[in-house]
Amino acid sequence: RKEVEQDPGPFNVPEGATVAFNCTYSNSASQSFFWYRQDCRKEPKLLMSVYSSGNEDGRFTAQLNRASQYISLLIRDSKLSDSATYLCVVLPGGGADGLTFGKGTHLIIQP
Amino acid sequence: NAGVTQTPKFRVLKTGQSMTLLCAQDMNHEYMYWYRQDPGMGLRLIHYSVGEGTTAKGEVPDGYNVSRLKKQNFLLGLESAAPSQTSVYFCASSRLAGGPIETQYFGPGTRLLVL
Repeated sequence: RKEVEQDPGPFNVPEGATVAFNCTYSNSASQSFFWYRQDCRKEPKLLMSVYSSGNEDGRFTAQLNRASQYISLLIRDSKLSDSATYLCVVLPGGGADGLTFGKGTHLIIQP
Repeated sequence: NAGVTQTPKFRVLKTGQSMTLLCAQDMNHEYMYWYRQDPGMGLRLIHYSVGEGTTAKGEVPDGYNVSRLKKQNFLLGLESAAPSQTSVYFCASSRLAGGPIETQYFGPGTRLLVL
């Protein structure tokens, strides 16, 4: 059962370009949504939470579409330092048993 | 404030050996988690704890045991290591598991190789 699905990529994007990822989730009762960033051989770190109304943090914009059960991440004016794996993460409703992680989308920003 | 720390950082075991991975957090978090991450599989929950003295099974608990004797520590044990347990193990902690916004803080990971 694939609860959270992402395109694994890699996405090869020139520096300065805009790139967007989508992620779909299967549990319609999911309550909270996040994007985590993971650098090579490092731990995942929270990039941003995803609110129902959409939210923006600098060059990063996250959107939630509950009707279609997907979330998106948009990165504008991409930097070399944005190269990483981006994990879509969903908190299932009700339980304490942690987060459900997508397998991640690998982004490579090219100079 | 060290956040979440894990020891050891790297370990090589022979099949059948046992070991314990230690996770410690200094953020007074109630909830703690152990995940494993394998290529192409993403992060999978092994066990978790919602408070001192409590533990529960996650998605892939077989072959592992855990203990949470102190609030700040969460131990993951492998009684008889198998090559299938070769992986990167991440510990995480969070204040509350529910609620509209939740952030899990991860440790740096333990790389385990079972020969």
